Amino acid sequence: AQSVAQPEDQVNVAEGNPLTVKCTYSVSGNPYLFWYVQYPNRGLQFLLKYITGDNLVKGSYGFEAEFNKSQTSFHLKKPSALVSDSALYFCAVRDIQAAGNKLTFGGGTRVLVKP
Amino acid sequence: NAGVTQTPKFRVLKTGQSMTLLCAQDMNHEYMYWYRQDPGMGLRLIHYSVGEGTTAKGEVPDGYNVSRLKKQNFLLGLESAAPSQTSVYFCASSYSPSGPPDTQYFGPGTRLTVL
Repeated sequence: AQSVAQPEDQVNVAEGNPLTVKCTYSVSGNPYLFWYVQYPNRGLQFLLKYITGDNLVKGSYGFEAEFNKSQTSFHLKKPSALVSDSALYFCAVRDIQAAGNKLTFGGGTRVLVKP
Repeated sequence: NAGVTQTPKFRVLKTGQSMTLLCAQDMNHEYMYWYRQDPGMGLRLIHYSVGEGTTAKGEVPDGYNVSRLKKQNFLLGLESAAPSQTSVYFCASSYSPSGPPDTQYFGPGTRLTVL
């Protein structure tokens, strides 16, 4: 079975400060990991993914994430947050042995960036 | 290229009524998925399809049926709606039947209320 945990329901950060959204995962084999963002009343938009290779993955809108196998984590980061980054962020994992490209999502973390 | 579209955007049903949600994608994707999103629970997979004419159960399939008669369309049916099915429903699609998983692309969602 595969699972994802996002330990923080909400993260508050001042504009211009670094933003970190935490994610830990559990899979039986090697993971494929994803981050998605959801703006109000919209569908999910893909930010970035880790498949293999470099542990630091760069994605859209200046976001990046670091894969840490020993800590089973895939935290999302942005060096300088913008008010427009306020949204709901989802981490997702796929066990490479799972059929159907099925993703398991975390519960989501709401990010509020204050001016 | 519209991506993934969903019909309708909003719907209110009475308990016991039936309805069908339509998902269409114009990206020639093999895989399609139906999720529901509830507060604090992230996205949960209802049913998915790995190709035209095939469907499979996800994490929360009870009370729902699906059909994939055409590659570009994936229908989600509620035969007898219950208040517990009040949720936001998202459709997604992806391509890769083998190899590294491709990104799932999401539709804008359908907000369903069952009274």
